[in-house]
Amino acid sequence: GNSVTQMEGPVTLSEEAFLTINCTYTATGYPSLFWYVQYPGEGLQLLLKATKADDKGSNKGFEATYRKETTSFHLEKGSVQVSDSAVYFCALRDPASGGSYIPTFGRGTSLIVHP
Amino acid sequence: DAGVIQSPRHEVTEMGQEVTLRCKPISGHDYLFWYRQTMMRGLELLIYFNNNVPIDDSGMPEDRFSAKMPNASFSTLKIQPSEPRDSAVYFCASSPGLAGGRTDTQYFGPGTRLTVL
Repeated sequence: GNSVTQMEGPVTLSEEAFLTINCTYTATGYPSLFWYVQYPGEGLQLLLKATKADDKGSNKGFEATYRKETTSFHLEKGSVQVSDSAVYFCALRDPASGGSYIPTFGRGTSLIVHP
Repeated sequence: DAGVIQSPRHEVTEMGQEVTLRCKPISGHDYLFWYRQTMMRGLELLIYFNNNVPIDDSGMPEDRFSAKMPNASFSTLKIQPSEPRDSAVYFCASSPGLAGGRTDTQYFGPGTRLTVL
């Protein structure tokens, strides 16, 4: 079956530090990959996505590249801000799997950025 | 658009009581999902609908849980009777669907925080 594995948190950084949150996946077919972000007290919202190998999704200074050879979709940001403190979820949607519209989410990684 | 609307935002009830959570999806979206989020289990998909029809309810934990979507603009998740272990944040999400070149992005509501005493 499909699965998404994220690094466990919390990740604690100082403002302006470089961020990497690792995400690897297992899928039957050729999935679309997503990063969602959940700010405190809110629902998840899409941060970025990629639909094919070597695609780079980007938004708000965050980037992630679809690496089919390593089945990874690591999230990066060059300089984090306090306002980036949130929980980040890696997810996939595999059109080849039964129930192909159901997304598979990782457990989430909490990011805490200190001033 | 107002986004996905959920009510109530907070619910505190006593064990054994019936709880009804409500969701209004974004207009024009074909898919609606109900999730539960806890620290222990993370984000769990309970059930999803396509064009108001339940497609997969394998995530519904027990017969105490039921969900309906009587029309394209309204869905409910009901727990009867409620138990303390049902305490969680329940999210509703909607998605346009990929037909006609649209997107599979999910749009989440703000959630209902349920506490069962």
